[in-house]
Amino acid sequence: QVLLEQSGGALKKPGASVKVSCTASGYTFTRYIIAWVRQAPGQGLEWMGWISAYSGDTKYSEKFQGRVTMTTDTLTTTAYMELRSLKSDDSAVYYCVRTTTETTPPSPGYALDIWGQGTVVTVSS
Amino acid sequence: DIQLTQSPSSLSASVGDRVIITCRASQMVAGYINWYQQKAGKAPKLLISAAFSLQSGVPSRFRGSGSGAEFTLTISDLQPEDFATYYCQQSYSRQLTFGGGTKVEI
Repeated sequence: QVLLEQSGGALKKPGASVKVSCTASGYTFTRYIIAWVRQAPGQGLEWMGWISAYSGDTKYSEKFQGRVTMTTDTLTTTAYMELRSLKSDDSAVYYCVRTTTETTPPSPGYALDIWGQGTVVTVSS
Repeated sequence: DIQLTQSPSSLSASVGDRVIITCRASQMVAGYINWYQQKAGKAPKLLISAAFSLQSGVPSRFRGSGSGAEFTLTISDLQPEDFATYYCQQSYSRQLTFGGGTKVEI
């Protein structure tokens, strides 16, 4: 069974950083690209970027460029997303997602097929 | 960025109804539209990829169609477990974007 298991929720102060982990199992980790998507309370889905678990190549949303870093550890089959300089509107559920693409950069048309359970990040003073 | 506009943003329906959700892109996306279902408090679930390819295990009452810049998700014979929020998403451009969502309520 393909699973993505995310780290627990976090409470952070404005200006701090958060690092969310996502441990994959049930498939060959390096074969697929991992994306990160967030959802603010009561809001829609927002793509943050992706990382190739094979090469470490990344592509970030322009909105988060300079503030986000995505990494992977192939030994532990874990992906990480670190977001810095947190603001209150960064409070959201953060999801890691396996994509359907094996190529870097992703070929057009890829989808987000396996989702982690989500990690709640709350930013509050 | 490619903007995706879903309509309606919400709708009320009854069990057995047919529901149609529309997703319009700000430019042509060559059929690279995916649809997701999200139930309250849960992660989204991929229903349809590449405009009309039903994912394994998804009931056949879900159907995707469209081309160019306009796409639809049709749910026939709405079932109680179908009450959820639905999102379209494009992967034509390297900056992925989602529609704003359509909440299907009883």
